[in-house]
Amino acid sequence: AQSVTQLGSHVSVSEGALVLLRCNYSSSVPPYLFWYVQYPNQGLQLLLKYTSAATLVKGINGFEAEFKKSETSFHLTKPSAHMSDAAEYFCAVSPRGATGANNLFFGTGTRLTVIP
Amino acid sequence: GAGVSQSPSNKVTEKGKDVELRCDPISGHTALYWYRQSLGQGLEFLIYFQGNSAPDKSGLPSDRFSAERTGGSVSTLTIQRTQQEDSAVYLCASRGAWGANVLTFGAGSRLTVL
Repeated sequence: AQSVTQLGSHVSVSEGALVLLRCNYSSSVPPYLFWYVQYPNQGLQLLLKYTSAATLVKGINGFEAEFKKSETSFHLTKPSAHMSDAAEYFCAVSPRGATGANNLFFGTGTRLTVIP
Repeated sequence: GAGVSQSPSNKVTEKGKDVELRCDPISGHTALYWYRQSLGQGLEFLIYFQGNSAPDKSGLPSDRFSAERTGGSVSTLTIQRTQQEDSAVYLCASRGAWGANVLTFGAGSRLTVL
């Protein structure tokens, strides 16, 4: 069974500091992995995805994530936080080759606060 | 359309009333998903459509919830006899035939049951 765990429902960082949002997955084979961001009163927007190419994936707004099979992790990072990064971030996992229903599993989300 | 469109954006209703939420997916997207996002919770899968059929309804919380999709396009999520615990943001997403399960989400419909 697929599942994804996000450690820390709330993360606060100072403007300009490193952002690190943690995500671990459980899967028998490496799945597809995603990070979505939800700004206030908006829908979810794809930030980046890992499908099988380079293990270090670069996304929009300066975010990147590294797939580490040995740690079953896909943590999201950004070197320097900006006020506009304040949002809710969701990690998601999808089995490879899956078709049909319910094949995207979301974590419970991490709310990022950026302190001026 | 250019994106996934949901209506209404906000709905306030009284307990016991029926509500309908509408989703207009990206043109040509064959798969359509409904999720529910409650305060402080993650995304709860409700139902998935491939074309007009719903092969997986396992996420619907009760028989008060139903959904349909017509013409392989617009979908309607109906909640009958609403309860206060139904208050949430209902998100719709669509996916094309390609793209490693990348979903494009609408802005959601916020439902408040008084």
